[in-house]
This record gives sequence, structure tokens and C-alpha cells, in this order.
Amino acid sequence: EPEVTQTPSHQVTQMGQEVILRCVPISNHLYFYWYRQILGQKVEFLVSFYNNEISEKSEIFDDQFSVERPDGSNFTLKIRSTKLEDSAMYFCASSGARTTGELFFGEGSRLTVL
Amino acid sequence: AQTVTQSQPEMSVQEAETVTLSCTYDTSESDYYLFWYKQPPSRQMILVIRQEAYKQQNATENRFSVNFQKAAKSFSLKISDSQLGDAAMYFCAYRRDDKIIFGKGTRLHILP
Repeated sequence: EPEVTQTPSHQVTQMGQEVILRCVPISNHLYFYWYRQILGQKVEFLVSFYNNEISEKSEIFDDQFSVERPDGSNFTLKIRSTKLEDSAMYFCASSGARTTGELFFGEGSRLTVL
Repeated sequence: AQTVTQSQPEMSVQEAETVTLSCTYDTSESDYYLFWYKQPPSRQMILVIRQEAYKQQNATENRFSVNFQKAAKSFSLKISDSQLGDAAMYFCAYRRDDKIIFGKGTRLHILP
């Protein structure tokens, strides 16, 4: 069964460092998403991406965040200068349809900022 | 702004019994989708069941069913004949276009 894969599963970084989280969505999906979940809190929407551009983003997704699909298969989330409060589980998701389809999630990348 | 509220942080149910997880949401839209996702420990979220707001009939998937009350903006999940493998975090979610909003989740424990 096709699935969304994410790497790394866990990354530890120093505050101020750049981090790139990678995702390989399901191959025939066109809509891609990043969510994050701070420990013990709700799953929060960060950004949605379609046709090589951001279609929607939340207020959390500020200038230190960026997304891209560099090679047609990977979908990456970059955090330019990490802060302590960026420590969270980051989930990638993809969907075959914009309004009606379910989201298929990866297993998440745990980011720990020291 | 849309919100999704799950008022039960944790619940427990005896194996083979039935349990209902609550979810309410707030929206001014009339056309949207509602989901229940299950997240086992250290695993990704997987879809349990989905409901289109324009459908009056409650969705059912095997042992999982929902009670969708559109006017009350309520979307509860009923799990019948609970099994040990049902132990997980359950998230209620609302979708309108690109935005999916999740509740804080309910951790379900299954007692053998």
C-alpha cells in the first residue's frame, strides 16, 4: 500500500541552526501539507502546497519557514534558524484531492532544539 | 475562525464494550468534511471514518460509526466491540478546502 515517508525520524539540533525535514508523498498525489504537534498539544496546520506554490499557510508559518518540491518527488520543510519552541513532531501529509480527499500522513519527524 | 473541540482528554473502555468519543466544532460554512483519525503510539495518523456535511446519513465503517448532528455541530465517534488494537490517540478533524483543523485528541485505553 502506498504511503508517505518522512526523514529523519528524529533530529536534534542547536538553537539557531537550519533544519530540513524531508517527505516523499504518495506518488500520484498533488496536494501536500505540513503539520506540527508540540508534545501534548493539538496537531497544528502549517502550510499546504499545490502546483509548486503555497496555497495556504498559517500564522505559525513565518519567514523562518519555507517549503519546496525540488525534484518532483521530495517535499521539504526548511526551518532557517531554529528556536527552542520549534521542538515538535512534524507531520507531512498528501492528498489526491483538494476539498474532498482524506490526508495520508507520514510517521512524523521529531525535532528537538537544544 | 473554525475550531474543533474534543472535551475528553482520556477515556477507557473494557474490551468488547462500546465507547463514544465526543467532538464539537464551530464553523459558519455549510459545506465541509469531518474526519476521525487514529494515531497509535509512535505511528502515523490513519483515517478511521469520514463524513460529508451535506449527507444526512451517518457514516459507518465496520465497528466504527459516527453520530453527526449538523445543527448542533457535533460529530461523535462510536467504537463497538472494542479491541486491544483500538488503543490510540483519536483526533477529530474539520476540512474546508485546503485547511484541515484538528482537535486536541482523546487518548483511548482498552482494558483487557
